[in-house]
Parts: sequence; C-alpha cells; structure tokens
Amino acid sequence: GAVVSQHPSRVICKSGTSVKIECRSLDFQATTMFWYRQFPKKSLMLMATSNEGSKATYEQGVEKDKFLINHASLTLSTLTVTSAHPEDSSFYICSARYDSLTEAFFGQGTRLTVV
Amino acid sequence: QKEVEQNSGPLSVPEGAIASLNCTYSDRVSQSFFWYRQYSGKSPELIMSIYSNGDKEDGRFTAQLNKASQYVSLLIRDSQPSDSATYLCAVNSPRETSGSRLTFGEGTQLTVNP
Repeated sequence: GAVVSQHPSRVICKSGTSVKIECRSLDFQATTMFWYRQFPKKSLMLMATSNEGSKATYEQGVEKDKFLINHASLTLSTLTVTSAHPEDSSFYICSARYDSLTEAFFGQGTRLTVV
Repeated sequence: QKEVEQNSGPLSVPEGAIASLNCTYSDRVSQSFFWYRQYSGKSPELIMSIYSNGDKEDGRFTAQLNKASQYVSLLIRDSQPSDSATYLCAVNSPRETSGSRLTFGEGTQLTVNP
C-alpha cells in the first residue's frame, strides 16, 4: 500500500502552547487528507477533512480555531493544536487518499500529552 | 442511529476457525467500503476494500457487500493468533456540498486463541 508519514510520533507540551503535527504522503498525491482523534479503547473520531488548496471541512463539535488544518500541497497537511490543554491529550492520526472513492492510508499517529 | 455500526465484541475464536465480522451503515448513497485492522497503540492498516455488491476474496480474507441491506462483512478463514486485533469498518459517503467523508465504526475486538 501507499506510504503516509506522520511526524512527530510522540510529543509532550505545556498547557497553553501550540503543537504542529505533519502528515505527508510519500509516494502519491493526496487530494484528500483526514484527521482523526482516538481515545484509549475507542474508535476513530473524524475531526476534519482536508482538501488540497481549500479550507478544511470540520465535523460538528470540532473547534476550527482550536485545531488549525492546512493542506498547502498534494503531499502535506498539518494539524496545529493551539493553546493546548490537558484534555487535548490524545492519539491523533492522519490518513490520505488519492481520490474520493479509493482507500485511505494512515500515518503512524501522534500521541500528544499536554502537561 | 450511528452512521456505521459494527457487531459488539469482543469476539473470541479458536485458532483455525472462521471469524465473522459485521457492519451496517445508514447512508444509502455510500460508495465504497473498507476494513482496517488496528493493533493496540498503532494506527489502522488497510485489509480490504470493496466497491460493488458480492464477495471479494484476498487470501484468508473475504469481504461481502450488500448495498440493498446496507451491510458489509469480513470473514477471516483459518484464524491465527496474529489476527488478534481490533477490526474497523469504514464507509465512504458523499458530502452534501462537495467531496466525501470516511467514517468508522466503533470496531470489533477479535481474539484468536491458540
């Protein structure tokens, strides 16, 4: 399958600071990237869908100003958690796909801990 | 009603048996369907994709899709202990405005006992 690289894999930050997570498709051009959040023993919660060159579409209940998503190129999307709080601690996972019908491939995930 | 529902687990089968995982979805215009496997602490990995009604086989895995019943399943033959993981059903549905969204079920935890 295609390769999606997510960085960093783990990050610890202080409350009030911002954290940026990168998601790169290494061997294909991703027209769409998805950002998910996952709590322990829970399923993936879709946060937003990111299309190259346009604004991200956020799911209901997800704060746009809190979770900034940028998809500036066909191989890179970033998620910035702004003014992080301990309740933002979670496993964040990105996925990318070539077109609107095909399968999405996942990055390795980023475990964020806010202290 | 949840958009994507999976049979509640956990599911436990003996080694060599067939594991059957089920999924239903609510959006009739959903276009493509996927099964992912997720090991604890890791991100999901794609196992199967299916786009049209019927069966699709890949090694020990068979995906079945019935759009009329809004039902998709995954069969794992000759189950191995290494198959023990959480299996996620994902459904791709068009948005009202543009593009599409990929949503996941809660997952079914499978344990294959040696």
